[in-house]
Amino acid sequence: GQQVKQSSPSLTVQEGGILILNCDYENDMFDYFAWYKKYPDNSPTLLISVRSNVDKREDGRFTVFLNKSGKHFSLHITASQPEDTAVYLCAAGMATGGNNKLTFGQGTVLSVIP
Amino acid sequence: DMKVTQMPRYLIKRMGENVLLECGQDMSHETMYWYRQDPGLGLQLIYISYDVDSNSEGDIPKGYRVSRKKREHFSLILDSAKTNQTSVYFCASSSPTGVNYAEQFFGPGTRLTVL
Repeated sequence: GQQVKQSSPSLTVQEGGILILNCDYENDMFDYFAWYKKYPDNSPTLLISVRSNVDKREDGRFTVFLNKSGKHFSLHITASQPEDTAVYLCAAGMATGGNNKLTFGQGTVLSVIP
Repeated sequence: DMKVTQMPRYLIKRMGENVLLECGQDMSHETMYWYRQDPGLGLQLIYISYDVDSNSEGDIPKGYRVSRKKREHFSLILDSAKTNQTSVYFCASSSPTGVNYAEQFFGPGTRLTVL
């Protein structure tokens, strides 16, 4: 089964709006959580990541919230811009004693309308 | 300049033909990966390599094999390609000693079509 799941295949938001992308995971040994961004015909690149010793990490307009008890993490984007239009992939893995593997979600296609 | 390269970028093969996808990285990363991306399935791990000649199966290794004879190169081989192996293949690398230790750096992808 899918160990990391993104609940929304696609989202559309008006420019300037706030949006939330969600990700659920099954393996409670995961202690590293990340969001990757992918433009069409381009490679995924790391957007933001967080370890399980914190429940929030902010980087400019992007914030990751982690809810370990609920096995859920989310990406909040504020003041959305047309250049945020992309596919967003969540990923989770084991940092401690891990095997350098990340398990990716199916991706959410985000469209920001000017 | 930190970079992961993939060759070729586009490839069309017939069913039953052999396929060789090449990946290179210039960051001396120990760990390298091969993924495939299909609509609605995200990135699925085919193989992971922890260093030269130290390779492990990922989640979907059937129909694939890999070779890593130099740290900077990682090859994906399809012996007798099948139509269901039509996909976009991504190579990635990472280093457990990096600042963002689990960050994976991806290549541009290879779009493989098997007819």
